[in-house]
Amino acid sequence: DTEVTQTPKHLVMGMTNKKSLKCEQHMGHRAMYWYKQKAKKPPELMFVYSYEKLSINESVPSRFSPECPNSSLLNLHLHALQPEDSALYLCASSQVATVNEKLFFGSGTQLSVL
Amino acid sequence: SQQGEEDPQALSIQEGENATMNCSYKTSINNLQWYRQNSGRGLVHLILIRSNEREKHSGRLRVTLDTSKKSSSLLITASRAADTASYFCAMTYAGNNRKLIWGLGTSLAVNP
Repeated sequence: DTEVTQTPKHLVMGMTNKKSLKCEQHMGHRAMYWYKQKAKKPPELMFVYSYEKLSINESVPSRFSPECPNSSLLNLHLHALQPEDSALYLCASSQVATVNEKLFFGSGTQLSVL
Repeated sequence: SQQGEEDPQALSIQEGENATMNCSYKTSINNLQWYRQNSGRGLVHLILIRSNEREKHSGRLRVTLDTSKKSSSLLITASRAADTASYFCAMTYAGNNRKLIWGLGTSLAVNP
């Protein structure tokens, strides 16, 4: 099983809503990532978890709150988002959290903030 | 900016033709990876080439690395409509192992 599964695939939310994005992998990887991607742009790193601990936070606004309940799961809690936060949110994993590892990506959650 | 540059930004070819896209970077790298992304989907890893390697193959894909020119090329031979996607390079710079630096991507359209 070489899949990273993300739910939901699509999400529309208002600026006052609270929602969560979920990501799951069963490859035994110990590093998990959240990326944000705008249309026709490369992905931008948001957070890195290594062995279930947050190791990198790329100065992401506090309205995005990551959580890693266990080595297979990664959540991104969303609250009071802005329209400019509309984007494709991608989860990825790798065996360990070094930049020399190849990344396995999920299909993403297309988020629209109204 | 350390961001990689890719050219062309967009490429349109006919099925059966070869497609070549290039990635240039600023300083010495540890390795360089190529990813494919179908529209609105996640990225798929294609090939990783290390700084001491010059060429790697995977099926119809051929990646070259020229460290003297600070550039890499991805060649897709005998293209198919299913190769239509965006292609991104991503590199790790020597001495900065904190995160991947991504190129801006090449959008490839393969027409049947």
